[in-house]
Amino acid sequence: QVQLQESGPGLVKPSETLSLTCTVSGGSISSYYWSWIRQPPGKGLEWIGYIYYSGSTNYNPSLKSRVTISVDTSKNQFSLKLSSVTAADTAVYYCARTTVVNYMDVWGKGTTVTVSS
Amino acid sequence: DIQMTQSPSTLSASVGDRVTITCRASQSISSWLAWYQQKPGKAPKLLIYKASSLESGVPSRFSGSGSGTEFTLTISSLQPDDFATYYCQQYNSYSLTFGGGTKVEIK
Repeated sequence: QVQLQESGPGLVKPSETLSLTCTVSGGSISSYYWSWIRQPPGKGLEWIGYIYYSGSTNYNPSLKSRVTISVDTSKNQFSLKLSSVTAADTAVYYCARTTVVNYMDVWGKGTTVTVSS
Repeated sequence: DIQMTQSPSTLSASVGDRVTITCRASQSISSWLAWYQQKPGKAPKLLIYKASSLESGVPSRFSGSGSGTEFTLTISSLQPDDFATYYCQQYNSYSLTFGGGTKVEIK
């Protein structure tokens, strides 16, 4: 079955850019949307944005100015970049397969990113 | 953005209890609602989509209902594995939003 695995630095300095990659295994990245969701410590879930395998994107309006999501179909991967990070961006970041109607049916295990100098 | 409000935020219950969690949307979302279960240190798991459709492999003690702005997730007989936090998510609008979560604790 499809599995997702997040990877990237666990520590990012304030004002720098957070970069994460999600690798999809056990299935093709085609024909689905692919989301990033985050969860600050002790808090709820926040959708960051998604990308379709063709490259079209949709972002959370509250993060749109700082977010870029891209896809590499040859590697079965999609990526997140979040610029100008602050301590408020400290969270567990999840990638998830997203259906055509936009609920998330398969999730990665998550990766913790801490923003600190 | 469509705001999703869950109640209660915490619920104390015993094994075997019938449990109901409510999720309210700030505007109508038809039936475009999903429910997820999250255990500590783990990723969320899809339980219900389209308000009442059970995801494959999810026990039948979980059920969802509602449409428009008010929705419920019901666990018919709470099992030890069900103590977790539950989130609703609307996908009616292009900006996806989650409820704040309901933690189901052991009474």
